[in-house]
Amino acid sequence: TQLLEQSPQFLSIQEGENLTVYCNSSSVFSSLQWYRQEPGEGPVLLVTVVTGGEVKKLKRLTFQFGDARKDSSLHITAAQPGDTGLYLCAGVDSGYALNFGKGTSLLVTP
Amino acid sequence: NAGVTQTPKFQVLKTGQSMTLQCAQDMNHEYMSWYRQDPGMGLRLIHYSVGAGITDQGEVPNGYNVSRSTTEDFPLRLLSAAPSQTSVYFCASSQGRKGGTEAFFGQGTRLTVV
Repeated sequence: TQLLEQSPQFLSIQEGENLTVYCNSSSVFSSLQWYRQEPGEGPVLLVTVVTGGEVKKLKRLTFQFGDARKDSSLHITAAQPGDTGLYLCAGVDSGYALNFGKGTSLLVTP
Repeated sequence: NAGVTQTPKFQVLKTGQSMTLQCAQDMNHEYMSWYRQDPGMGLRLIHYSVGAGITDQGEVPNGYNVSRSTTEDFPLRLLSAAPSQTSVYFCASSQGRKGGTEAFFGQGTRLTVV
C-alpha cells in the first residue's frame, strides 16, 4: 500500500477565506485524483491530474500536481459554505486501485 | 442513470451472523471495488475486480469474500460478522482499461455489528 498523507486533518474557516490542503507521498503515482464527499454520500470526483507540474482550475478550486508526481495540493479561493465537506486525495497506481489519504474535513461557516 | 446502487443502506447484525452487501452498476464498467470507511482512516480497499470472474484482495480483505459472476454485480459477503467490521462500506466502479480511472461510488451501506 502506498501511503498518502493529507494535511490538515480538520479545517474550520469563515466564508471568504482562502485555504490550501496538501496531499503528500513518498511514492510516485501515474495520476492523482481529488474527491469531495458530503455526509451520507459517496465521494465524487473533482479532478484528475496526470502530468508533473500540472495545474487545473475548477471555478474557485485550483489543483496542482508536484513535479515529481508524489504530491498535490488543493487551493480554495474565497471559500463558501457550499464547499463544506470531506476532501480526499487518491493516488492511482499501475493498476486501477485507488490509494486514498485519510481526508481533510472542511467546515466553512457564514 | 442509476450509476452504482448499493443495498441495503443500513444494517445491524449480531456478532457471528453472515450477510451480503449488494452492489450493482449499469455503466458497463470493467473495474469494481469495495472500500470501508472508518473515522480518521479514510477509505481502505477490501477487494476489487478487473472483470467478470476475476477478483483480488485489497488492503483489508480478512473476514470478507467477493465474487464477480457478471459485469454488473459485485457482492461483498461477511462470513461471520465481528464488531470490528462496524463501518460504512462503499462500492465503486470505473472504466478501467477502457480508458478511465474516475471512480463512481454508491451511497454506501452503514453496518453496525453488535
